Parts: sequence; structure tokens; C-alpha cells
Amino acid sequence: ETGVTQTPRHLVMGMTNKKSLKCEQHLGHNAMYWYKQSAKKPLELMFVYSLEERVENNSVPSRFSPECPNSSHLFLHLHTLQPEDSALYLCASSQEGQDDEKLFFGSGTQLSVL
Amino acid sequence: GQNIDQPTEMTATEGAIVQINCTYQTSGFNGLFWYQQHAGEAPTFLSYNVLDGLEEKGRFSSFLSRSKGYSYLLLKELQMKDSASYLCAVTTSGGSYIPTFGRGTSLIVHP
Repeated sequence: ETGVTQTPRHLVMGMTNKKSLKCEQHLGHNAMYWYKQSAKKPLELMFVYSLEERVENNSVPSRFSPECPNSSHLFLHLHTLQPEDSALYLCASSQEGQDDEKLFFGSGTQLSVL
Repeated sequence: GQNIDQPTEMTATEGAIVQINCTYQTSGFNGLFWYQQHAGEAPTFLSYNVLDGLEEKGRFSSFLSRSKGYSYLLLKELQMKDSASYLCAVTTSGGSYIPTFGRGTSLIVHP
């Protein structure tokens, strides 16, 4: 248990659906992240929120829309996705200002787009 | 940009020692992380190196050479449960310290 909880664990959706991924951290951290993990590829940073402000948007298509209502919760809203968006979506949190600022990851949502 | 390179897959025998290498090319290097990720699970933090040298933590050690752009993760007395993917990640100074990850090395430990 890393202190970061993601739901759902698995999601299958059609290209015309709208769904949301949820992340909650119980560590009192002030930064939260969305990463995409595809087979044989490095973890790709998608979005970063620091103190509830979006500080990084890594050229992600607009069909992915993040939301950070408070420092403990992070959402990723999905609509009109493509099959190539099928991947593991990982949420992470960290405490900015610490020496190592290590990331604490959730177990991810395995997304399949049909 | 940043370039991080690590082997795709390694195999080793239970009880043995294995060394997983990571090389990087980046400007403004700050530090290097190693994470472990079991299949279907969250990546978990193993080590963080900022200065040159070896950091030992039980069966796992991590080494960094800033001048060579090189790190390795050393796993001793391998156990079956060490079968996992090992992710190398680099942070740079100059704004944010968000890590950039390599592709990961899948380690298979067999009896």
C-alpha cells in the first residue's frame, strides 16, 4: 500500500464514451501527477499539479482533461479516445521541497479503448 | 532533451548477484532514481543518488558516476520475488524536478 489509491483498476471503453479516472492520496503531499505507461515504452508524463495549480501539460491531446479539486484528489476525464490510448495510467504524488521528492505511485488504471 | 538507456530484459539465478545499468545524457543533471515495479502493481521507490558513489540499502545498492552519466542497481542474494521491472529515472535542475523515466529493465529470476 503506497498511500495512493486509483479507481477503477480496469476500464474498457468505446471511442465515443466519456469516462473518468480517479486518484486519491492519503500522504499529505502537495503535488500530483498523471503518467501513461505503454508496453515497451518509458513512463510518459502527462500532467502535473502543484498546490492544485497545473504546472505541466506535456503536449497531451485535448481528449484527456485533468482536474484537481484539492490537494488530495486528481481526476483524468476521458472522451472520444483512440485505440492507441490503451495503456496503464498511473497517478503519483510527491512532497515538493524535500531533498529527493520521490514519487509515490498508485497501482494504475488499465485502460482498453475499443 | 534527455536520453536514458537501460537493457530491456535480464535473467539471473536465485541466490546470485545481478547488476542493472542505466546510462543517461542530459543537461542540468540533478539526481537519479531507481524504482521497482511488479507486474500489475505500482512502481515503488528503491533509491535516489545525487552524489558520486555507492549507496547500500540491504540487498540493494545503487551507484552513480555523474562524470560518466552512468548508474547501476546491484541486487544481491537474488530471490524469486525480485522478478520485476526496474525503472531508472533522472531529474534535472532549472525549474521542476520532475523525473524522466527510461524504458525499464525486466528482470527474471529463475530457480
